[in-house]
Amino acid sequence: GESVGLHLPTLSVQEGDNSIINCAYSNSASDYFIWYKQESGKGPQFIIDIRSNMDKRQGQRVTVLLNKTVKHLSLQIAATQPGDSAVYFCAENANFGNEKLTFGTGTRLTIIP
Amino acid sequence: NAGVMQNPRHLVRRRGQEARLRCSPMKGHSHVYWYRQLPEEGLKFMVYLQKENIIDESGMPKERFSAEFPKEGPSILRIQQVVRGDSAAYFCATQRQNTEAFFGQGTRLTVV
Repeated sequence: GESVGLHLPTLSVQEGDNSIINCAYSNSASDYFIWYKQESGKGPQFIIDIRSNMDKRQGQRVTVLLNKTVKHLSLQIAATQPGDSAVYFCAENANFGNEKLTFGTGTRLTIIP
Repeated sequence: NAGVMQNPRHLVRRRGQEARLRCSPMKGHSHVYWYRQLPEEGLKFMVYLQKENIIDESGMPKERFSAEFPKEGPSILRIQQVVRGDSAAYFCATQRQNTEAFFGQGTRLTVV
């Protein structure tokens, strides 16, 4: 079946540097993409989302890039802080607001002080 | 406005017992999704419900698992005759139609 996968399972970044987390998806019908942050023992926390009619969206210190040609999604975190240490998941569906999400495996981001 | 509430946060059951996991949606949210997460893995979809209706149960095991979302009260994920392989974190997410979904903090089920 269709799946969403990540390129790297772990990533260590020096505090203050920028980080980039990548995600590949295989469902060409995917229309809605989300990045979640999950801290230990907690539920996924929404970070940023993007629809397929966009290729870039910015939030506070975060930017999501979508390349539909190669089915690739990335999350950029600027000026990383210790509180950014967590597991980051990409997720997608083809029908925003009315359909299950398909999650990737996750990338563990560790910020080195 | 309270977030998505799940209880209990931790649940220990012996093999063969029943587990009941509850999810109270945010106010105004009529869509509920249940996901299961094994350690060091992503979330796997189980079931999608709207009030009193199961919309998509393609991720639910055929036996022992059931879910409901009654007109009044929380959504319930029920696991009968639990086995060790059921040990996992179970998350629910709720949403209004055509809005983003919000997750609860999960129930961590341990089967001993």
